[in-house]
Amino acid sequence: GENVEQHPSTLSVQEGDSAVIKCTYSDSASNYFPWYKQELGKGPQLIIDIRSNVGEKKDQRIAVTLNKTAKHFSLHITETQPEDSAVYFCAASISSGSARQLTFGSGTQLTVLP
Amino acid sequence: EAGVVQSPRYKIIEKKQPVAFWCNPISGHNTLYWYLQNLGQGPELLIRYENEEAVDDSQLPKDRFSAERLKGVDSTLKIQPAELGDSAVYLCASSLGPDRGETQYFGPGTRLLVL
Repeated sequence: GENVEQHPSTLSVQEGDSAVIKCTYSDSASNYFPWYKQELGKGPQLIIDIRSNVGEKKDQRIAVTLNKTAKHFSLHITETQPEDSAVYFCAASISSGSARQLTFGSGTQLTVLP
Repeated sequence: EAGVVQSPRYKIIEKKQPVAFWCNPISGHNTLYWYLQNLGQGPELLIRYENEEAVDDSQLPKDRFSAERLKGVDSTLKIQPAELGDSAVYLCASSLGPDRGETQYFGPGTRLLVL
């Protein structure tokens, strides 16, 4: 099955700096890569996703890049703010019949220091 | 639009006792997922429903876990009997379904502590 590794496990940045979280996946058949943000006591919330036919996607301060050859993808957050502090999960997905099965990374605790 | 609703939010039980979690997906979402999230880890899929049919339950420990989704809307996940190692967060998610939308929306989860 699919295996997703995520680094780093913890990341502290100063407010206004950029944060980068990296993930690698094992199954070359994976073709959908969402990123979720989980705040304390809440469920994961989708923040951005990318498909394998696209190399980069941007949404305001958040961007994701995908390197299919190397099988890795990254989340970039620019101009970080204290409210960006949360746990971020990457995931990789393979179409399984009629639906997708997500395999999650182990998460990155991002702390933005004011 | 209301999100995925789960109850209870917290549950403390003694080992060997039964426990049940309830999930109400987003209206119109045909696909429903139950995930297990251990502390410091990402969610792991337990079971996936398409309407009322369980189409992927390969990761569900069937000796003690069971689930149902009667009428293809609400779902219940049950553990009987609970073990110490079952302490975790149980997340429910839903999506529109095949060919309609694959983005999964998560509920707040039920935090289970087994003593």
